[in-house]
Amino acid sequence: GQNIDQPTEMTATEGAIVQINCTYQTSGFNGLFWYQQHAGEAPTFLSYNVLDGLEEKGRFSSFLSRSKGYSYLLLKELQMKDSASYLCAVENSWGKLQFGAGTQVVVTP
Amino acid sequence: DGGITQSPKYLFRKEGQNVTLSCEQNLNHDAMYWYRQDPGQGLRLIYYSQIVNDFQKGDIAEGYSVSREKKESFPLTVTSAQKNPTAFYLCASSIDPGPNPNEQYFGPGTRLTVT
Repeated sequence: GQNIDQPTEMTATEGAIVQINCTYQTSGFNGLFWYQQHAGEAPTFLSYNVLDGLEEKGRFSSFLSRSKGYSYLLLKELQMKDSASYLCAVENSWGKLQFGAGTQVVVTP
Repeated sequence: DGGITQSPKYLFRKEGQNVTLSCEQNLNHDAMYWYRQDPGQGLRLIYYSQIVNDFQKGDIAEGYSVSREKKESFPLTVTSAQKNPTAFYLCASSIDPGPNPNEQYFGPGTRLTVT
């Protein structure tokens, strides 16, 4: 089976940096996704990590350590529009996604 | 514009009634999925289909049924047997996930309330 843990909520001020951690235990691992979801809307793709290391994409970066079962999503230069839920999802060996409960990020002025 | 549509956005039903949620995609994706999302919980997989006329149960299929008669369409029926149907339902699709990362594209969701 799979178990995915991420914090429930994080608060940060505009312009700051926030790091959302995700730890997972899985019987088969292909890769790890991060999605952003605004309240009542569809999740949208942010990043996919399959190899260890850091993937940078503008203000957002994602890191993966397969040996530690650990990933983080780094949001830099926070903007008010970044207030959303961030979902960590592990892709298993059969291509199925298992989602964490999501981390609600609240950006304050 | 390619995408996934779900309708309606909000749906209200009385207990004991079956209800069908629609999901259509024009992305030419092979695979389609249904998830439910409840407060404080991750998305949970109800059913998925990798090819027309074939579908598989996900982690929480009890009380739900699906069909996949066309590549573009994957409707979900919430039956009266589903004990706690009130939830936000998300449909997703992806290119054949075999050799590729299974990046899933989501529809806007249907919020179902059963009273």
